[in-house]
Amino acid sequence: QKEVEQNSGPLSVPEGAIASLNCTYSDRGSQSFFWYRQYSGKSPELIMSIYSNGDKEDGRFTAQLNKASQYVSLLIRDSQPSDSATYLCGGGAQKLVFGQGTRLTINP
Amino acid sequence: KAGVTQTPRYLIKTRGQQVTLSCSPISGHRSVSWYQQTPGQGLQFLFEYFSETQRNKGNFPGRFSGRQFSNSRSEMNVSTLELGDSALYLCASSSGTRQPYQETQYFGPGTRLLVL
Repeated sequence: QKEVEQNSGPLSVPEGAIASLNCTYSDRGSQSFFWYRQYSGKSPELIMSIYSNGDKEDGRFTAQLNKASQYVSLLIRDSQPSDSATYLCGGGAQKLVFGQGTRLTINP
Repeated sequence: KAGVTQTPRYLIKTRGQQVTLSCSPISGHRSVSWYQQTPGQGLQFLFEYFSETQRNKGNFPGRFSGRQFSNSRSEMNVSTLELGDSALYLCASSSGTRQPYQETQYFGPGTRLLVL
């Protein structure tokens, strides 16, 4: 079992809709989680960090953490074509481990 | 503040050679982590340096090594290059007040290494 797992997609969402990205982790000692966005040919840039159970909102982005279910998600509201990218979920208890990434495409 | 910088941006090497990559962190950041990104394996942690000492290490062979200088700049070295070492090598910096898996990592643009 991989330490951090994501659905690799691709995930296709119409413009203006909500995109839902999911991530599960195996190490219950993990306390900090990060969502990064990576455009093709570019380096990852931080979207959200979340440390506590519940929701954290920042503009059109909402991160959700459920430690009991070992589940992290990222919701993107009012999706825009510029949101088309690969989204990386990262977390870990001894080192920062990333999932394989979910490729998201927003269709105009 | 200036972001994380990495040099060179592109490299082409042949099998058996060695390579050194450089990373300058964000001013004030004392932790530098190195990652390898490939299409097959994704983004994988190599090692992290803090105050000139390797504080964390991933599961890579000893051919991959690094160091950090007193100004927090870091170098990564790969010896005896193999075809499978072709990848994007990313450096990330953070304040270092917590472990790298507990605080936001700021990534540099990366060095793309091609081994022929």
